[in-house]
Amino acid sequence: ETGVTQSPTHLIKTRGQQVTLRCSSQSGHNTVSWYQQALGQGPQFIFQYYREEENGRGNFPPRFSGLQFPNYSSELNVNALELDDSALYLCASSYVTGELFFGEGSRLTVL
Amino acid sequence: RKEVEQDPGPFNVPEGATVAFNCTYSNSASQSFFWYRQDCRKEPKLLMSVYSSGNEDGRFTAQLNRASQYISLLIRDSKLSDSATYLCVKLSGTYKYIFGTGTRLKVLA
Repeated sequence: ETGVTQSPTHLIKTRGQQVTLRCSSQSGHNTVSWYQQALGQGPQFIFQYYREEENGRGNFPPRFSGLQFPNYSSELNVNALELDDSALYLCASSYVTGELFFGEGSRLTVL
Repeated sequence: RKEVEQDPGPFNVPEGATVAFNCTYSNSASQSFFWYRQDCRKEPKLLMSVYSSGNEDGRFTAQLNRASQYISLLIRDSKLSDSATYLCVKLSGTYKYIFGTGTRLKVLA
């Protein structure tokens, strides 16, 4: 059984740039959620995708957007990067509302 | 007020000790609660679900008190390998998992 994989693992961007993070969900899972985890904080819910549609969204501005593909993999896009966007971005897959299985995350640094 | 609140710690305890964490939540409509464990610079992993009747998994016991709106995690006979951050989580609605900031535990030899 293949677990959740994310890429890239680390990246550095400058303010104003755009970034795309990728996630492959665990085999058999049809739901993908994205979380932002700042240093010393718990993960914050960004949004969830189910059957290629956004199923719910947290308190994040529209410059955070995403996609889910027919194979259930997903992308998180962030436009106009700000310094406060520096964080660990976690992807979690699940079967509907079952247990969340997290990837190891993408650590983004915005300079 | 945050929907899920935890004491960030750190809790420093000797090996073999019993340690307990509490987590308070708001919005009593929440139905499902969990404890996740996160090792340093790693992803969170499910430790256990929390039920009103209480549930136990080896050295770990979780309890939910709906009247007082808190959940607890008890760890008996602490091991060095228990050192981690423990995240209290509630499921809000059908899809939104809300995490607390986590409680850091360090078990000392």
